[in-house]
Amino acid sequence: DVKVTQSSRYLVKRTGEKVFLECVQDMDHENMFWYRQDPGLGLRLIYFSYDVKMKEKGDIPEGYSVSREKKERFSLILESASTNQTSMYLCASSFQTAHTDTQYFGPGTRLTVL
Amino acid sequence: ILNVEQSPQSLHVQEGDSTNFTCSFPSSNFYALHWYRWETAKSPEALFVMTLNGDEKKKGRISATLNTKEGYSYLYIKGSQPEDSATYLCAFPEYGNKLVFGAGTILRVKS
Repeated sequence: DVKVTQSSRYLVKRTGEKVFLECVQDMDHENMFWYRQDPGLGLRLIYFSYDVKMKEKGDIPEGYSVSREKKERFSLILESASTNQTSMYLCASSFQTAHTDTQYFGPGTRLTVL
Repeated sequence: ILNVEQSPQSLHVQEGDSTNFTCSFPSSNFYALHWYRWETAKSPEALFVMTLNGDEKKKGRISATLNTKEGYSYLYIKGSQPEDSATYLCAFPEYGNKLVFGAGTILRVKS
């Protein structure tokens, strides 16, 4: 079974702090994604990566950056956390880039920024 | 950004009721339509990937149909059980494997 793990289930940070959210997948998937989920808005794509050291902006990249130094690990970075970044963050991975490829999700990190 | 809409936003049913909800998506440039189930405190998991107009897929008591010409998919749950309580998400590939998700339908099944 594919396993996608995220470093924390719950995280509380203060405004202005630098925040790292880590995601690791164990199935040698090429693609990795970071989403945020807010009530009534569904999953919105922040960044994604099709290969090591490659990244592409999703629909809401402002205020975030990412790092993919190794194939299995994809990090989301909040350079200076703000209260409007309080959200549920989900990481996902997929084997290839076909339209039919399933994405496998981690359990999510609920981030609160005070 | 593509518009993927789901309705209703939430649904409360009694155990044993059958229910259905809708996902609407752009009917042009159709490639596939994904359904996911997201239970509380768990990871979203894939239910179906649908590709052909008229396609019907089934997994236990859950089934889904697809109409690519008019741009909608229905998800049906027959004889709902409390363990079916979850958020059901549909997603449309914008390009490659980049998915655009609907806001989801929250289903609560009361025993």
